[in-house]
Amino acid sequence: TQLLEQSPQFLSIQEGENLTVYCNSSSVFSSLQWYRQEPGEGPVLLVTVVTGGEVKKLKRLTFQFGDARKDSSLHITAAQPGDTGLYLCAGGRGTSYGKLTFGQGTILTVHP
Amino acid sequence: DAGITQSPRYKITETGRQVTLMCHQTWSHSYMFWYRQDLGHGLRLIYYSAAADITDKGEVPDGYVVSRSKTENFPLTLESATRSQTSVYFCASSAPSGGSYSYNEQFFGPGTRLTVL
Repeated sequence: TQLLEQSPQFLSIQEGENLTVYCNSSSVFSSLQWYRQEPGEGPVLLVTVVTGGEVKKLKRLTFQFGDARKDSSLHITAAQPGDTGLYLCAGGRGTSYGKLTFGQGTILTVHP
Repeated sequence: DAGITQSPRYKITETGRQVTLMCHQTWSHSYMFWYRQDLGHGLRLIYYSAAADITDKGEVPDGYVVSRSKTENFPLTLESATRSQTSVYFCASSAPSGGSYSYNEQFFGPGTRLTVL
């Protein structure tokens, strides 16, 4: 079983603080996605990284794929209340009929 | 409207009843998936489908049945609902890119909250 360990599980911070969420595995993935889910809705894709060492930025969010393609991180700069939600990482292998391995998720709460 | 839809959004049923959750996508994606999401367990794959008439079990298939006669529809049936099947169910779809390589990006429906009494 390919596992993705996500940490921390819970994060409660004040507006303006920075934070990092980690996603680690002992397995190599061909792609790594980050999703954000708000209460009562389905997960929404934020980004896909596919190359070892790749860094992608989405406004205040920075995503990094580890050199060995076994881990990833999500860094949020100057968090805002609108960033509150469940963040999920998911790893894919190109030949697995599109299946993803999901991490357990990080529940982020940003207080005004 | 384009996208992926699920119905019903909310369902309350009783133990032993049959329940079918519907999923419809308008992108003509080849791959479709059913997940359940429970506190402490994240998203767990129930069944997936690579194309019409091709389905296979995921991580937690017991008590569920799927079919896929048309590319755009992927219904999930609970043949005899149990309390342990109380959960939020998500349908997702994905399209393989050119050739055999895929980034596995999935697009999710809004979910169905099912309560089994």
